[in-house]
Amino acid sequence: NAGVTQTPKFQVLKTGQSMTLQCAQDMNHEYMSWYRQDPGMGLRLIHYSVGAGITDQGEVPNGYNVSRSTTEDFPLRLLSAAPSQTSVYFCASSYDRANNSPLHFGNGTRLTVT
Amino acid sequence: AQTVTQSQPEMSVQEAETVTLSCTYDTSESDYYLFWYKQPPSRQMILVIRQEAYKQQNATENRFSVNFQKAAKSFSLKISDSQLGDAAMYFCARGYTGANSKLTFGKGITLSVRP
Repeated sequence: NAGVTQTPKFQVLKTGQSMTLQCAQDMNHEYMSWYRQDPGMGLRLIHYSVGAGITDQGEVPNGYNVSRSTTEDFPLRLLSAAPSQTSVYFCASSYDRANNSPLHFGNGTRLTVT
Repeated sequence: AQTVTQSQPEMSVQEAETVTLSCTYDTSESDYYLFWYKQPPSRQMILVIRQEAYKQQNATENRFSVNFQKAAKSFSLKISDSQLGDAAMYFCARGYTGANSKLTFGKGITLSVRP
């Protein structure tokens, strides 16, 4: 049981490049989400999903796309990277809406856009 | 925007002493959840404690306890018998029933522990 797995751990991009941050969970969790962490800003929600085939925007969605074709995977796509997207990205998942079970986080991806 | 506020960016505590980290939040809902997460230098996000708003009793997890004041919208974390391993950034967060993946976080507080 690996929990929430994020890849890569580190990435450097040039402005305008595209890439996908991968996130997979093996806990059969319904809910998955992406956050970005910036100094002095805490964690801010980018996109989230309440189940396969369903996604919605969070607080800071611009510049990012997501899809949820399976329960396990929730990739985050940067279509044209910008320096403002330099951040640490966290994927998280949780199980049961009724019990509001806590989030399980991946270990994060540190992205630098030059 | 409904916010979570951690007004102290940094705090320091002597090993074995007690420290309290403050958090206030804004909400118009009556049913919600509050969390404290710990982030050590490893960057991992670790759940410390959780409080359901409908419960009057303050949550406790070993050396960690909260002081939940619903009317004042205050949710402070008390760490007793502080240990060197408690040094980390701590985030307060608020969530709602049925919105598990949508937490609103405070900006965090960096706690250092002096040996």
